[in-house]
Amino acid sequence: GENVEQHPSTLSVQEGDSAVIKCTYSDSASNYFPWYKQELGKGPQLIIDIRSNVGEKKDQRIAVTLNKTAKHFSLHITETQPEDSAVYFCASAQYGNKLVFGAGTILRVKS
Amino acid sequence: DTAVSQTPKYLVTQMGNDKSIKCEQNLGHDTMYWYKQDSKKFLKIMFSYNNKELIINETVPNRFSPKSPDKAHLNLHINSLELGDSAVYFCASSPAAGGGTGELFFGEGSRLTVL
Repeated sequence: GENVEQHPSTLSVQEGDSAVIKCTYSDSASNYFPWYKQELGKGPQLIIDIRSNVGEKKDQRIAVTLNKTAKHFSLHITETQPEDSAVYFCASAQYGNKLVFGAGTILRVKS
Repeated sequence: DTAVSQTPKYLVTQMGNDKSIKCEQNLGHDTMYWYKQDSKKFLKIMFSYNNKELIINETVPNRFSPKSPDKAHLNLHINSLELGDSAVYFCASSPAAGGGTGELFFGEGSRLTVL
């Protein structure tokens, strides 16, 4: 079955700096790659996703890149703000199949 | 209006007891899920129902029994609770089956503590 590895497990950045979280997946048939943000005491919430037919997608300060050959995708957050502090999860799935989540990254933005 | 709501938010109980967690979604989605998040934040799918039919049943002890009376509700009953069942349980829903075709909408979680 699919396996998703996520790094780093914790990440501390200064406010205004960029943050990058990386994931690798094992199943070459996977074609859907979402990122979820979980704030303290809340459920995870989708922040951006990408499908295998594109290499990059951007939404304001967040962007996701996908390298299908390397089976690798990354989340980039620019100009980080204190409210970006949360746990971030990557995930992957084939169409119609279950999502498999990475282990999560605790992002701390220091002001 | 809360899209995915689950009750109770907190549950503290003794080993060996039986407990239930309820979930309701008002998004009109066909598919609902139960996820378990352990103390290390790892999110693992337990069950998925599509229009009241079980479609995903991971390797979960049979002390855990989901029930979907209609497509807007998915409840989780746990028998003979063990210490290792302590976790946060999340209900989620999605428009399509499997979650791999679009966004999952999560509830706020139910923190279960077994003493």
